[in-house]
Amino acid sequence: AQSVTQLGSHVSVSEGALVLLRCNYSSSVPPYLFWYVQYPNQGLQLLLKYTSAATLVKGINGFEAEFKKSETSFHLTKPSAHMSDAAEYFCAVNYNQGGKLIFGQGTELSVKP
Amino acid sequence: EAGVTQFPSHSVIEKGQTVTLRCDPISGHDNLYWYRRVMGKEIKFLLHFVKESKQDESGMPNNRFLAERTGGTYSTLKVQPAELEDSGVYFCASSQGRTSGRAYEQYFGPGTRLTVT
Repeated sequence: AQSVTQLGSHVSVSEGALVLLRCNYSSSVPPYLFWYVQYPNQGLQLLLKYTSAATLVKGINGFEAEFKKSETSFHLTKPSAHMSDAAEYFCAVNYNQGGKLIFGQGTELSVKP
Repeated sequence: EAGVTQFPSHSVIEKGQTVTLRCDPISGHDNLYWYRRVMGKEIKFLLHFVKESKQDESGMPNNRFLAERTGGTYSTLKVQPAELEDSGVYFCASSQGRTSGRAYEQYFGPGTRLTVT
């Protein structure tokens, strides 16, 4: 069965430090890949997406992700964390345009002052 | 442009009662999805409408759940009778039609938190 794995349910970084949230998917067929963010008491917001164009994708708020087919990974990074980045982040895949999303378990990001 | 809206934001009901959740997608979006997140678990797909037709309902847990999308606009998800394990956050999402080339891009509502006691 197709699945998405996010390594680490909780990640804590200091303000100004690198943010790295890991995501691996389980298919040899390159899917559409997404990162969503959920701030407290809000819905899911699309952070960035990979749709078979450039493998390095830039999103909102300074985040970016790199699609690596050989590693079946789509890790999310940000060079310098801000307090406002504290939220839960979800990696998701879609294998046919317009079909369902398959989500990872989510990673709660904490940013320490 | 208004985003995806969901009503109510919270609902607390007793086991055995009925609850109806509503989702209004972004205007013009043909695709409408329902997802659920049970506490501590991942967000899971429930079903997918294309306009008023059910395209995929493989994620519906059982026949206590009934989803409709009359006229291809808003959708309702009814749980009858509710059980304790139905508690969770129910998300609705919508996306443009396949001909737009952006059907993969789903926009989510804020969710309805359902608590069954």
